[in-house]
Order: sequence, then structure tokens, then C-alpha cells
Amino acid sequence: GQQVMQIPQYQHVQEGEDFTTYCNSSTTLSNIQWYKQRPGGHPVFLIQLVKSGEVKKQKRLTFQFGEAKKNSSLHITATQTTDVGTYFCAGGPEYNNDMRFGAGTRLTVKP
Amino acid sequence: KAGVTQTPRYLIKTRGQQVTLSCSPISGHRSVSWYQQTPGQGLQFLFEYFSETQRNKGNFPGRFSGRQFSNSRSEMNVSTLELGDSALYLCASSFKYANTEAFFGQGTRLTVV
Repeated sequence: GQQVMQIPQYQHVQEGEDFTTYCNSSTTLSNIQWYKQRPGGHPVFLIQLVKSGEVKKQKRLTFQFGEAKKNSSLHITATQTTDVGTYFCAGGPEYNNDMRFGAGTRLTVKP
Repeated sequence: KAGVTQTPRYLIKTRGQQVTLSCSPISGHRSVSWYQQTPGQGLQFLFEYFSETQRNKGNFPGRFSGRQFSNSRSEMNVSTLELGDSALYLCASSFKYANTEAFFGQGTRLTVV
């Protein structure tokens, strides 16, 4: 079945350093979404990418969708303590309405 | 507008019992998906309902079931609870399709003892 793999599982950075998490799918995705879950909270939608090669930015966050629509990345520039949480990618194959989540990357930021 | 509401927030059950969790989606949303979240397994997809019909199902045993009502509210039921069912159960609502922007509820924390 369709799988969405996400790496790394954990990332610990010093405040001000950059952070990147990667998402790979075994099948072509119709779109990719990114969510953030703060400790003790629930996942909150960040963004959706639909087009091949698409790049979107939200302040210090940059999201990319691969040309083959099988991979994606989230890059945070100059991390802050407010960036702490687990970042999930989620996507589904083009042939159905299914959606699967990656395992998430847990980011901790040392002040 | 009101967000996704899940009840109850916390539950403690004994092995062998059954449990029913409830989810009220955002008004106007017709797709409701359920996920199990555990520290080691991340977010695992249980099933998705749309217009009172199960549209997709994950790889969970038949002890896990759900339904959706005409007002889009959804329930999930777990019968014959096992210790391994202890998890955070999250409900997410979407306007029409599960693979679009999803709004999550706060979740129900189930502990099986």
C-alpha cells in the first residue's frame, strides 16, 4: 500500500539554526500537506502543495513539492523556540481520496 | 466558526470493554476521518466517512468501527479493548475530500488498563 516516509524522526537545534524535514512517498501524490503539532496539542494545518515543483513560503518556512510529486520538504530558517513541535507531512495518491501521514519530525530548539 | 469537537477528552477503560468516541465536524464539512496516534507509530489512519458512508479504511482489525450520521457527526467504536489500544484518537474534518486541508479536534485520550 501507499507509504509516506519522513526523516529525520528527531531534530535538536540551537535557536537560530536552520531545520529541514523531508517527506518521501512510494507513489505519486495528488498533493502534499504539512501540519504542525505542538506538545500536548493536535495537528494544525500549515500548507498544501499541489503542483509539481511548487515552492511556497510562509515567513521563515519554505515548503517544496518535488518535480515527480513523490517528495517534499519543509525548511525553517533561523529557528525560534516557538517552532518547537512535531511536523507532519501528509499526502494521498492521485487515484483516490486517501491520505496518509508521515511519522513526523519532532523538533526541539535550545534557547 | 466552531472547530472540531471531540468527546470525551479522556477515558479510562478496562481490557475487554468497549468504547464509543464522538466527533462533531466543522459546520458544512462532510468528510470525517479518524486517526490513532501513539508515540511509536505516529498518526495511523483508521477510516474516513463521507455522507454517512465509509469511503476509506486503514489497516485496523474489525474491532474498530465507525459511522456517520446525517448531520455529519461521527462516532467510532472499539470493542474488546486491548492494552495496545491506549492512544490519542484524533478526528479530522474536511469540506469534501479527505486529502485536502483537514481540521483536527483536540482528540480523545484513551487509556486501557
